[in-house]
Amino acid sequence: QQPVQSPQAVILREGEDAVINCSSSKALYSVHWYRQKHGEAPVFLMILLKGGEQKGHEKISASFNEKKQQSSLYLTASQLSYSGTYFCGTALAAGNMLTFGGGTRLMVKP
Amino acid sequence: DGGITQSPKYLFRKEGQNVTLSCEQNLNHDAMYWYRQDPGQGLRLIYYSQIVNDFQKGDIAEGYSVSREKKESFPLTVTSAQKNPTAFYLCASSSYRDPGILQFFGPGTRLTVL
Repeated sequence: QQPVQSPQAVILREGEDAVINCSSSKALYSVHWYRQKHGEAPVFLMILLKGGEQKGHEKISASFNEKKQQSSLYLTASQLSYSGTYFCGTALAAGNMLTFGGGTRLMVKP
Repeated sequence: DGGITQSPKYLFRKEGQNVTLSCEQNLNHDAMYWYRQDPGQGLRLIYYSQIVNDFQKGDIAEGYSVSREKKESFPLTVTSAQKNPTAFYLCASSSYRDPGILQFFGPGTRLTVL
């Protein structure tokens, strides 16, 4: 079953923070985050595993709440380059293929 | 450099024609996938293959066909039976790396039906 991402879209000014959520109705093993620029392929950002710690990538970090089966992606002090669509992919077990959410469109304005 | 290549980058097709999109990877990944993406939409799985000479239908396989004769290659044919093929097509591959799978995408092929 497809994970649900929220919000569907967000507009920020440079320097503002944002949170993107990815929720599942099933118990997850891992959550994978990607960013896609317009007309390009999704680029892998990070993977979070059940029982794992919060991960970070530059000013982008993420957490995985096993009780809620939800992962959150945190973008702090956003930059223009953060604009794009963010997708989460979820796996129910190690080695399982990913199921992707519908994406969250993020626009950072000067 | 290891990676996934897709060709062509842009493809134009007349109605009624079959076209084949190429996907090659040199990452030594076992699994390969084809996704379709429409403007402003998410990723929809067309076909996937977890091993050579075997593949499975995804959510929107009608009008598409694939083959997996080599580990490195997973071509997608868009047949004339696909009524609305104009879209962005993404190929991906993955491998299990303890403790979880890692999946990467190719650069995509944009198909337009004239």
